[in-house]
Amino acid sequence: GAGVSQSPSNKVTEKGKDVELRCDPISGHTALYWYRQSLGQGLEFLIYFQGNSAPDKSGLPSDRFSAERTGGSVSTLTIQRTQQEDSAVYLCASSLAGPRIAYTFGSGTRLTVV
Amino acid sequence: AQKVTQAQTEISVVEKEDVTLDCVYETRDTTYYLFWYKQPPSGELVFLIRRNSFDEQNEISGRYSWNFQKSTSSFNFTITASQVVDSAVYFCALSEASTGNQFYFGTGTSLTVIP
Repeated sequence: GAGVSQSPSNKVTEKGKDVELRCDPISGHTALYWYRQSLGQGLEFLIYFQGNSAPDKSGLPSDRFSAERTGGSVSTLTIQRTQQEDSAVYLCASSLAGPRIAYTFGSGTRLTVV
Repeated sequence: AQKVTQAQTEISVVEKEDVTLDCVYETRDTTYYLFWYKQPPSGELVFLIRRNSFDEQNEISGRYSWNFQKSTSSFNFTITASQVVDSAVYFCALSEASTGNQFYFGTGTSLTVIP
């Protein structure tokens, strides 16, 4: 596609439920990143994919968070047993050749846990 | 420790004023990259500029200019003759050759341009 597409754009869920957030990167972009932006905060790195593998998962805040990428394309970020502190905007970005190249960001998924 | 510091949380200026957004970074790498992104109210971050650590030339693009000073570890961003459309949150980011896999973002500066 022309840009990085994320769905849903907004998600409201009850505490304790699982959620899946989807990212569709720019076609041909091998690198994919997930970041989290809490209200008034900067961007917090979650995970990086190169192709289908995730060489850097260091940012995932707990074992309730997981992510996968299939076919070197679409990625899904899953949050199990959501907590209120998980409420944030989850941003996906992709790039052509790895971390020294500017990312292209999606518009994000705003997650609200009630 | 915060690798990228944007000390200005919020700035308000009147249209046509100049405004400088500060960014101070911290790294031990000799090869690194600095970025500025704009996040308008729509939410999508837009890439503005990338500099590598070996190029200290200042850059001007229209009303935007960037001042990179390794001696003070700063990469400041100036908007000349600000316009209402410049209202956004601006993020400075650092990428290091050694860690490579992620950008370190500052907490952002929210700029409001008042008509």
